[in-house]
Amino acid sequence: QVTLKESGPALVKPTQTLTLTCTFSGFSLSTSGMRVSWIRQPPGKALEWLARIDWDDDKFYSTSLKTRLTISKDTSKNQVVLTMTNMDPVDTATYYCARISYRNYFDYWGQGTLVTVSS
Amino acid sequence: DIQMTQSPSSVSASVGDRVTITCQASQGISSWLAWYQQKPGKAPKLLIYAASSLQSGVPSRFSGSGSGTDFTLTISSLQPEDFATYYCQQANSFPLTFGGGTKVEIK
Repeated sequence: QVTLKESGPALVKPTQTLTLTCTFSGFSLSTSGMRVSWIRQPPGKALEWLARIDWDDDKFYSTSLKTRLTISKDTSKNQVVLTMTNMDPVDTATYYCARISYRNYFDYWGQGTLVTVSS
Repeated sequence: DIQMTQSPSSVSASVGDRVTITCQASQGISSWLAWYQQKPGKAPKLLIYAASSLQSGVPSRFSGSGSGTDFTLTISSLQPEDFATYYCQQANSFPLTFGGGTKVEIK
């Protein structure tokens, strides 16, 4: 079955760079049509899409955050990595990775990882 | 960016009630719309895609309709496990965007 799991630091300081890893199973990112995205959700707030990476290494980013985001994949390890530079307290959120197998619909999600930005 | 506006932001309903949630896109998105259900402390779950297609395993009391800019999610007979927050999401163009959410609460 398809599973995804996010990992990374629970606490980062302002101005630091956040690196999150999504480790998945049950599908391959080398398969045509497969894609993985990152989405975040500040406490008590709505969902916000961040980035997408495709099987062919195409990448797409949030308009407002694209200067701070980098998404990459390691197909051999079944992992997708998101880096976000210059972290700020407003970036405090639960970060999710999710699979896309059709259009831009997120059909499987990880459990999420809470990242707190504080000095 | 395409803005997605959901209404109401919250609704109180009883078990067995019919509940309707609307989502409006700031520009036409054809039928490229999804609905998700999120329970506290959990990841969202895909319910409906392509505006009206039911995701595998989702109960048939959930249905979606609409195209262009106006969309609706209907729960025909609310069950105890349906109390949650619901989000719409446009899948038409980048950046992908979500609505602000509708919380379905127990009356």
